This record gives sequence, C-alpha cells and structure tokens, in this order.
Amino acid sequence: EAGVAQSPRYKIIEKRQSVAFWCNPISGHATLYWYQQILGQGPKLLIQFQNNGVVDDSQLPKDRFSAERLKGVDSTLKIQPAKLEDSAVYLCASSPSGSYNEQFFGPGTRLTVL
Amino acid sequence: GESVGLHLPTLSVQEGDNSIINCAYSNSASDYFIWYKQESGKGPQFIIDIRSNMDKRQGQRVTVLLNKTVKHLSLQIAATQPGDSAVYFCAENIEETSGSRLTFGEGTQLTVNP
Repeated sequence: EAGVAQSPRYKIIEKRQSVAFWCNPISGHATLYWYQQILGQGPKLLIQFQNNGVVDDSQLPKDRFSAERLKGVDSTLKIQPAKLEDSAVYLCASSPSGSYNEQFFGPGTRLTVL
Repeated sequence: GESVGLHLPTLSVQEGDNSIINCAYSNSASDYFIWYKQESGKGPQFIIDIRSNMDKRQGQRVTVLLNKTVKHLSLQIAATQPGDSAVYFCAENIEETSGSRLTFGEGTQLTVNP
C-alpha cells in the first residue's frame, strides 16, 4: 500500500513570497490533515478535511494560510505572504473515516523562510 | 532509563536496557491516546495506541500504560535497540462533533548507545 505522498520535500523562500505544498493521501482515506511542526515541537493541526469539506480549521492563520481539497483526494496548502515564523515542517496525514483511526503521515515539506 | 514528563526532553540509554518515556496529558475528556515515533527527516510513525477504557496495552517490545487519575501516559520499550533512537510523541485524541482531534505533546528524544 502506497503511503502519503508530499511535495516538494524542501523549499526555501524569502519572506513575503508565496509557497504551495501538495499532498496525496492514501487511497480511500476520507480524512486529510495538515500539521505544522516547528523544530523541537510536536505537530500542530492546521486544518482537517472530511472528503472535500473542512471539518476543523480553527488553528489555521486564515489571513495568510489557505488549503483546499477540491475533489476529495489531493490537497494543497498555501502560504501567502510567508513570514519568518512560518519556517517549519508541514506534514500531511490521512486516515479512514470514523473514530479512533490511526493517522498515517507523509514525510513532510521542510520550509525555510529567509 | 526513564524520562520525567515534558520537562526532560532527552533520554539516553544503553543498548539492551529498557526505556520508559513519560507523558502528561491535559484534557480529562481525551478518550484515545497514541504514541508516535519520528525519525529525523520523516513523518511520525504509529507505534501503539490505547483507549481510555484500558490501563495497559502491549505490542511487540512496547507497552503503553495509562493512568487516568493523574492524566499520565507512559511508553515502555523492552531491550532498546539502536534503531529505536528517535523522537517519541504522545498524542491525545478528543472526539468532537466536528470529528476527532489529535493534540501532540512536546516529544522526547531517545538516544540508544551501543
């Protein structure tokens, strides 16, 4: 079974630039998550999708971050404009629908904002 | 070797020893707990989980203990191997009307010395 795919793996941009990350979840997984992981900390949930609908985006900085999952499969996360404090690893995870299901994580995209 | 809560984020043990990683969670409504292992440059990987109606669960070389009275979770790794070197996160799950939400702890860096 293929895992969660993410691209790019690394990205370096200057502050105020825009950046986009892509995620392809495990086939058949209805729930998709985007997390931000700052160095030395645990992942923090940014947004959760159930199919193509947003379930929870309460911790997403909506003035600069946006995410979509238009067809209920792939998802993109965008930052516009980026700030220095956005430097982090952005992790995508997916899980089957229902409760108490394991989340499967992708390798993440390491973003450096200069 | 044993770590103490979230204020001692590193644990160093000798190969073959048993390791104990501790975690204090915050929400008494949390009903599901997961331990993840994260190696450098990779996403978190599921190790073992436990529901709140249990106080112990065993896997291959790993045991999770849950003490709901003091909101404490521990991960025991038997006969620790160099390949166990990684950051270990506990995560607590709360079922909300909008779905499940995982909140990760700070993490403990486990180093296994040969």
